Amino acid sequence: EAQVTQNPRYLITVTGKKLTVTCSQNMNHEYMSWYRQDPGLGLRQIYYSMNVEVTDKGDVPEGYKVSRKEKRNFPLILESPSPNQTSLYFCASSFILRGNTEAFFGQGTRLTVV
Amino acid sequence: DAKTTQPNSMESNEEEPVHLPCNHSTISGTDYIHWYRQLPSQGPEYVIHGLTSNVNNRMASLAIAEDRKSSTLILHRATLRDAAVYYCILNRDDKIIFGKGTRLHILP
Repeated sequence: EAQVTQNPRYLITVTGKKLTVTCSQNMNHEYMSWYRQDPGLGLRQIYYSMNVEVTDKGDVPEGYKVSRKEKRNFPLILESPSPNQTSLYFCASSFILRGNTEAFFGQGTRLTVV
Repeated sequence: DAKTTQPNSMESNEEEPVHLPCNHSTISGTDYIHWYRQLPSQGPEYVIHGLTSNVNNRMASLAIAEDRKSSTLILHRATLRDAAVYYCILNRDDKIIFGKGTRLHILP
């Protein structure tokens, strides 16, 4: 079954403690991205990657890092989480076809930073 | 990124068709029109997309105006499970930028 898998689904952590949210897809997609969703602000893109070793900033990249060492994985790293990073995070993937393709989204990771 | 305009919310009765409008007057020739929806407590889900011609799939139909400045997502027979936020998005480079979407309420 085609899917994007995020782990963990729920995470509570303390300020400053480094964490990684994993994202994996099984569809051989080139394009992967991370979003955060906050009430009143909607879904905003954090980072995206168009292929292995190619990453770029989205609209809200501050406080986040990503890496793309393998095609299937695109982890989101918070080196020093702060309470304003409490949010619902989604990973997405798709082929690169200049817009003529569907994107698949993970089920989400709800992160709370206290 | 080109902008889309959607109503904040809409209501429809169960088992009736729903027409969700979207305006995109600044669309460029290479922009695909995409629709995604987000059910409560879930990630966004692809619904349909098209470029110039109307499109049908098992979930919905997409009607695109001849000048491409607007489009309509059609759910042929709404069920309670279709209650969600529906996003109309212009996509030319595989980068999906979400707007506020339309919250669709289905009345039993």
